Amino acid sequence: QVHLVESGGGVVQPGGSLRLSCAASGFTFSGAGMHWVRQAPGKGLEWVTFIRNDGSNEYYAYFVKGRFTISRDNSKNTLYLQLNSLRAEDTAVYYCAKDDCSATSCLLDSWGQGTRVTVSS
Amino acid sequence: DIHMTQSPSSLSASVGDRVTITCRTSQNINTYLNWYQQKPGKAPNLLIYAASNLQSGVPSRFSGSASGTDYTLTISSLQPEDFATYYCQQSFSTPYSFGQGTKLEI
Repeated sequence: QVHLVESGGGVVQPGGSLRLSCAASGFTFSGAGMHWVRQAPGKGLEWVTFIRNDGSNEYYAYFVKGRFTISRDNSKNTLYLQLNSLRAEDTAVYYCAKDDCSATSCLLDSWGQGTRVTVSS
Repeated sequence: DIHMTQSPSSLSASVGDRVTITCRTSQNINTYLNWYQQKPGKAPNLLIYAASNLQSGVPSRFSGSASGTDYTLTISSLQPEDFATYYCQQSFSTPYSFGQGTKLEI
């Protein structure tokens, strides 16, 4: 059974940094691409970034603008999201999600419970 | 970028009702369209993938269809546990995008 557990959230001042982690189990982590998706309080889901299974390619939402970096350590079955130059509008619950792509579909088939990031002075 | 227009933003219905939620994409996405259900304080849960395929374990009262750039999620007979927020999501190209969400209320 797939299990994803995020950690590393917290309260940070504007301009600060945080590193989120997502510990994965129950599947072959090195065989799956991974996403981060966020949700601001009372708002909808917003895709943030994706990394391929081997870390060879990364893709980002435009609002990231070089501030966030996704990475992974397949030896530790762990996904990361480095958040720099944080702004109040980055306040959200951040979810990691497992990607499942085939010839005809790509989907986020398993999600963690999320970790909350609050940017406030 | 691909823009998603989901409607309605909210919907009031009763147990046993048939409801339909629509998502329109700004360009052709070749049915790379997924539907998720989210309950308050919980992570999203995949319902439908590739426009019309039911995810394992999802009740058969949920179904999806596509016509051009219009995608539809239908719940044939609402159950109490279905009252939640629903999102469409395109996975045709990055940046991936979600619809604005439909809150289904009693």
